Amino acid sequence: GAGVSQSPRYKVAKRGQDVALRCDPISGHVSLFWYQQALGQGPEFLTYFQNEAQLDKSGLPSDRFFAERPEGSVSTLKIQRTQQEDSAVYLCASSQHTQRGAGNEQFFGPGTRLTVL
Amino acid sequence: DAKTTQPTSMDCAEGRAANLPCNHSTISGNEYVYWYRQIHSQGPQYIIHGLKNNETNEMASLIITEDRKSSTLILPHATLRDTAVYYCIVFYPGNQFYFGTGTSLTVIP
Repeated sequence: GAGVSQSPRYKVAKRGQDVALRCDPISGHVSLFWYQQALGQGPEFLTYFQNEAQLDKSGLPSDRFFAERPEGSVSTLKIQRTQQEDSAVYLCASSQHTQRGAGNEQFFGPGTRLTVL
Repeated sequence: DAKTTQPTSMDCAEGRAANLPCNHSTISGNEYVYWYRQIHSQGPQYIIHGLKNNETNEMASLIITEDRKSSTLILPHATLRDTAVYYCIVFYPGNQFYFGTGTSLTVIP
């Protein structure tokens, strides 16, 4: 398929564990976004990459959250020392253009549901 | 980015047009109106966007008032598969999307 894929789809972690969530964007897409979605809420922006550069990380809730996209394609969101409040669906999206370009449609993956016990 | 106001929930009969309103009274001249929807347990799906003119694609129509302070997303013939949460987003290129809580649309058989 040509869509955005995320893995794992479900992750259960014990409080204090580190987790890594993977996103494979649509091939050739310049922009990549991570969002966090709590139950019953809309997605909330976490961070934005343009190619390998992380241009905006203003939405990351704490320094336990870290994202990277070293080769400008696949991205990983890492959460260290997970807490119960980190339980949420983590969504990845990619876009063909830069944030300032035309046609800023973002294509979303199915998300990773993280449950911290 | 300007914030939006949407009704929390709406119902629509199957086969009828679904009209989803959105208020964005503080929108600025360079901000676009985007609509996404999210079907249960899936990622959001892009529907349509516009700046000043009305827009139509294979999924929906977007009607933006002349003063741009509100808009309406129209699904011309709603089906059960259109049951989802619909998000109206005001977006300025270079900023980030703010989704809010959206409108939960239920299409009734």
